[in-house]
Amino acid sequence: AQTVTQSQPEMSVQEAETVTLSCTYDTSENNYYLFWYKQPPSRQMILVIRQEAYKQQNATENRFSVNFQKAAKSFSLKISDSQLGDTAMYFCASGEAGGTSYGKLTFGQGTILTVHP
Amino acid sequence: DSGVTQTPKHLITATGQRVTLRCSPRSGDLSVYWYQQSLDQGLQFLIQYYNGEERAKGNILERFSAQQFPDLHSELNLSSLELGDSALYFCASRGKSQGASPYGYTFGSGTRLTVV
Repeated sequence: AQTVTQSQPEMSVQEAETVTLSCTYDTSENNYYLFWYKQPPSRQMILVIRQEAYKQQNATENRFSVNFQKAAKSFSLKISDSQLGDTAMYFCASGEAGGTSYGKLTFGQGTILTVHP
Repeated sequence: DSGVTQTPKHLITATGQRVTLRCSPRSGDLSVYWYQQSLDQGLQFLIQYYNGEERAKGNILERFSAQQFPDLHSELNLSSLELGDSALYFCASRGKSQGASPYGYTFGSGTRLTVV
């Protein structure tokens, strides 16, 4: 079974600055994926970025990048040049590739990020 | 519009009642997943269907059941409702091309259930 832990219930950052959200996970699988999802006040689940465990290179998507430390089972999200629209709940999630999990995701408890003007 | 449609958007009902939540997946997607998000918590996996068959089950209560119909829409039935069942229920779908990999999710906008 997979577990995902987000140790920061709340974070805040000033507009245009950089913030890092932490996530640790545990899995016995060798082949898995990691994700960061954003949930704004509208409650819609929006994929921010994903990382395949077999790839050593950290994923980046515009202002969003991850620091994937496989041995430490750590997967942090860095948001650069924070914008007011980044204010949301952020969830770290993991999913096994193949096996009997059939693509289900395991989510962390979430981090509420507030961007201040 | 994500392409995954969930109805109703909001539902208020009394304890002990039964409700049905409906999900229409994105066109062509065969897999449907149900997740429960209690207040300020992460999403918990409930159950998955693939082309009408149950494929995976999470910590779904016995009072809850689901099914996927031939037209691929899915329904989540919640019975003998308790106050603690109040939550946001998400449906998500994935296409066949994703196989067993956990990516390619498209989430619906959720059904907010309030049990009073």
